[in-house]
Amino acid sequence: GQNIDQPTEMTATEGAIVQINCTYQTSGFNGLFWYQQHAGEAPTFLSYNVLDGLEEKGRFSSFLSRSKGYSYLLLKELQMKDSASYLCAVRASDSNYQLIWGAGTKLIIKP
Amino acid sequence: DAMVIQNPRYQVTQFGKPVTLSCSQTLNHNVMYWYQQKSSQAPKLLFHYYDKDFNNEADTPDNFQSRRPNTSFCFLDIRSPGLGDAAMYLCATSNGAGGGFEQYFGPGTRLTVT
Repeated sequence: GQNIDQPTEMTATEGAIVQINCTYQTSGFNGLFWYQQHAGEAPTFLSYNVLDGLEEKGRFSSFLSRSKGYSYLLLKELQMKDSASYLCAVRASDSNYQLIWGAGTKLIIKP
Repeated sequence: DAMVIQNPRYQVTQFGKPVTLSCSQTLNHNVMYWYQQKSSQAPKLLFHYYDKDFNNEADTPDNFQSRRPNTSFCFLDIRSPGLGDAAMYLCATSNGAGGGFEQYFGPGTRLTVT
């Protein structure tokens, strides 16, 4: 089967750094996405990794290791508005269009 | 701004009463998707279209139907909503012609079944 695992919930402090992990087991691999979803709203795109390594985009970075089936999203200088769910999604190589989604990690930021 | 629009944002329907949700996009993307998302769960793909080519997920109930009359519009019809169909319905698009096939989401329609 195809599976994506993420922690259900994490808590961090405003101004700190947090790392959200994602592991995947899929029939193939053709890219990994991170999305942010605030409560009651639609997911918004954060990052895309298809090659091993770190992609940095402002306060957010995403890392991929294809050999380990592993990715993480790193959020720096946390702000209260970063309180949201973060979803990891993988495109398996047997489909160009469909994504396999994780259930998301709910991140709670405390002052 | 180019975007994905969903109407209505909130829909209340009665048990068994047909309901239609609509989605439109100004991104001119080839691919359109309908997802169902329940609280604290992953989005569940119901259907997707590549142009007019319709793709139904194997576990999508027959109660759910979809139409895409043109590139810009896509509809989700729920023929006889049950209490278990209460959820957020998300429409998304992607440009199947190249790139990272990032999906762009509309704001969603929250469906309540009474």
